[in-house]
Amino acid sequence: GAVVSQHPSWVICKSGTSVKIECRSLDFQATTMFWYRQFPKQSLMLMATSNEGSKATYEQGVEKDKFLINHASLTLSTLTVTSAHPEDSSFYICSAPSSGRASSYNEQFFGPGTRLTVL
Amino acid sequence: AQKVTQAQTEISVVEKEDVTLDCVYETRDTTYYLFWYKQPPSGELVFLIRRNSFDEQNEISGRYSWNFQKSTSSFNFTITASQVVDSAVYFCALSGERGRRALTFGSGTRLQVQP
Repeated sequence: GAVVSQHPSWVICKSGTSVKIECRSLDFQATTMFWYRQFPKQSLMLMATSNEGSKATYEQGVEKDKFLINHASLTLSTLTVTSAHPEDSSFYICSAPSSGRASSYNEQFFGPGTRLTVL
Repeated sequence: AQKVTQAQTEISVVEKEDVTLDCVYETRDTTYYLFWYKQPPSGELVFLIRRNSFDEQNEISGRYSWNFQKSTSSFNFTITASQVVDSAVYFCALSGERGRRALTFGSGTRLQVQP
């Protein structure tokens, strides 16, 4: 199946710094990507929908000025956590739905996740 | 709005026992998709199955089987003859039609299989 990569796989940063997480579709084009957040021992919650060439759509309660999303190309979406604080420590996972003919089956391809720890 | 309920927070079984993980969903869509994922301690989601709303046939894959019942809005997952390697958190998820393809996840069920 299709592959989605994330970089970095883990990051530790100081409070107040910004962290960028990359999500790449390696062998297919993704006009849409989804970003999820998972706090320890909790479920995955959708944060935002990243749209290539247009603004991201954020879920209720997610600060768009704090979580900047840029979908610069058909294979890359980035999530930047600005002025990170300890409460932003979480597991961030991106996904991309299948495109083209396969889109009718609604396949979803998940990245391996990025574990962010803010000290 | 879509909702997925996994009422079992944690299940502990002894190896070789059968175990069923429950999933109940709510949606207003007539076309929707149901998923099960396994999340081992590494965190990476492992895809197990995808089923669309028009296909109510039960499915078996090795020791895994799924029972989809539209009448009760349930999509339960059974592991037969459980093994220690099955220990993980299992998520049931739901997505709508093309316009709403992000997944809504249940709260997850942590399965511990004791040797």
